[in-house]
Amino acid sequence: EADIYQTPRYLVIGTGKKITLECSQTMGHDKMYWYQQDPGMELHLIHYSYGVNSTEKGDLSSESTVSRIRTEHFPLTLESARPSHTSQYLCASSVPRGGRTDTQYFGPGTRLTVL
Amino acid sequence: AQKVTQAQTEISVVEKEDVTLDCVYETRDTTYYLFWYKQPPSGELVFLIRRNSFDEQNEISGRYSWNFQKSTSSFNFTITASQVVDSAVYFCALSDMDSNYQLIWGAGTKLIIKP
Repeated sequence: EADIYQTPRYLVIGTGKKITLECSQTMGHDKMYWYQQDPGMELHLIHYSYGVNSTEKGDLSSESTVSRIRTEHFPLTLESARPSHTSQYLCASSVPRGGRTDTQYFGPGTRLTVL
Repeated sequence: AQKVTQAQTEISVVEKEDVTLDCVYETRDTTYYLFWYKQPPSGELVFLIRRNSFDEQNEISGRYSWNFQKSTSSFNFTITASQVVDSAVYFCALSDMDSNYQLIWGAGTKLIIKP
């Protein structure tokens, strides 16, 4: 069973606001990921990290940024939210330190609505 | 290039019927991994199974079974005696060396189980 947490679960915010979506995992996983997904649709990788101080952009261009200062924490920030950012954001992690499996375990997601 | 195809966009069956979700993949690598995830209406992605390319043995877990056939590049998922709680979107995914072991996702199949 995975221990990966996302807050908030739901967020409704006005255009232009700065927001940070939190993601934490307690499994000691090195790799972490952020996906963007419209409900029930395909997942799009927007950011990932191999470990502390590592961040990479994914396949889908995103105006968001991420940071990885601690192994367990991988927050995503939108400096100025827009209605086009309305979506579900899913955080995942994989690969315990020294391990080899790449099975990704997901948090419960944050449903963001920008008005 | 790698690709995962889930040709069935939506399947609707009556409870207790058996149902098979198709997944066809493309990869040039000889070492790769295949996954199935379930996404219920609540939105979180639940890991179901991971299978590596060297293990073609079919897997059964309760009412769930998976049929991996390298000859047809398929990794199909069957639910026996379906239940309403099986209603969800199911995603098939592939990871290989070419993708740096990132997940290549199918578009998902929405499964509706009617009482």
